[in-house]
Amino acid sequence: ETGVTQTPRHLVMGMTNKKSLKCEQHLGHNAMYWYKQSAKKPLELMFVYNFKEQTENNSVPSRFSPECPNSSHLFLHLHTLQPEDSALYLCASSQAGGTSHEQYFGPGTRLTVT
Amino acid sequence: DAKTTQPTSMDCAEGRAANLPCNHSTISGNEYVYWYRQIHSQGPQYIIHGLKNNETNEMASLIITEDRKSSTLILPHATLRDTAVYYCIVRPVNSGGSNYKLTFGKGTLLTVNP
Repeated sequence: ETGVTQTPRHLVMGMTNKKSLKCEQHLGHNAMYWYKQSAKKPLELMFVYNFKEQTENNSVPSRFSPECPNSSHLFLHLHTLQPEDSALYLCASSQAGGTSHEQYFGPGTRLTVT
Repeated sequence: DAKTTQPTSMDCAEGRAANLPCNHSTISGNEYVYWYRQIHSQGPQYIIHGLKNNETNEMASLIITEDRKSSTLILPHATLRDTAVYYCIVRPVNSGGSNYKLTFGKGTLLTVNP
């Protein structure tokens, strides 16, 4: 248990569906992240939120829409995805500021787009 | 970000020390060395980080060479549960901006054998 939870753990969706991934952190952190891990590829940073403000969008297609209503919750809204979007989506949190910045990751959501 | 170079894979016998090398020859004076690991189908897990001095915690030891161009992660008594991909990452010390960004490479697949 890292203090970061993600739901659902597994998701299968069609290309015309709309779904959302949820992340919650119980660590009192103020920064949250979405990463994508495709098969046999390194983790790719997608979005960064610092104090609920989006501070980085790593050229992610608009069919992925993040939302950070507060510093404990992070969502990734999905619509009209493509099969190549099938991947493990990981959420992480950290305490921004200071010098350390360890990131704590959730278990991920395994997404399959059919 | 400074780049790191790690072997693609390593093997280690259970109960023996696992020594995982990392080259970061272009590291800057204000960059930390971080180590994370990812057990199959789970989110990455923070292990340890250091700047100049050697560091030890309950999971591992980190040895950084005097010129800081390379480091070694040591798992003193490897167990089967230590089988994972180990990532060596360098990142700036200062907070703010994109300095909290972690760039994952391909890492080293450590296989601990019985």
